[in-house]
Amino acid sequence: ETGVTQTPRHLVMGMTNKKSLKCEQHLGHNAMYWYKQSAKKPLELMFVYSLEERVENNSVPSRFSPECPNSSHLFLHLHTLQPEDSALYLCASSQVRDSGANVLTFGAGSRLTVL
Amino acid sequence: GQNIDQPTEMTATEGAIVQINCTYQTSGFNGLFWYQQHAGEAPTFLSYNVLDGLEEKGRFSSFLSRSKGYSYLLLKELQMKDSASYLCAVMDSNYQLIWGAGTKLIIKP
Repeated sequence: ETGVTQTPRHLVMGMTNKKSLKCEQHLGHNAMYWYKQSAKKPLELMFVYSLEERVENNSVPSRFSPECPNSSHLFLHLHTLQPEDSALYLCASSQVRDSGANVLTFGAGSRLTVL
Repeated sequence: GQNIDQPTEMTATEGAIVQINCTYQTSGFNGLFWYQQHAGEAPTFLSYNVLDGLEEKGRFSSFLSRSKGYSYLLLKELQMKDSASYLCAVMDSNYQLIWGAGTKLIIKP
């Protein structure tokens, strides 16, 4: 248990479904992240929230919609996904400081399959 | 563009030593990270290097040469539980993390 909990761990959805991924961190961190992990590819940063404000959106398609209601919770709302969106979606948190390493603590991920 | 290169897969024997290399080309440098990820689990932080040299932490050591754009992760006295993927990531001048695709390490008895 890393202190970052993701649900569900596995999700299968059709292209017309709407679903949400949930992430909760119990570490008191001030930043939260969504990453996409595909086989044999580098982690792709999707969204960053720092102090509950979105500070990064790396040209992610609008069918992915993040929500950060407070510093402990992060959601990724999914709508009209494509089969190529099938991947492991990782949530992470960190305590951003003015100096020093920004070490990410990851959740175990939500494995998404789009049919 | 920015790029991190690391071998896709390596195999080693239990009890031996293995070195996983990582080379990078990034816009600036603000530190290099190594993470370990067991299959189906969260990546977990192993090490952080921002100055040249070797950082030792138990059986694991990480080396950095900024002039060469090069790092390695050294694992000694390999155990079966070290079978995992090892991810290299560099923080660039904008404090963005650039990730490698990971090295899958297979340990054989």
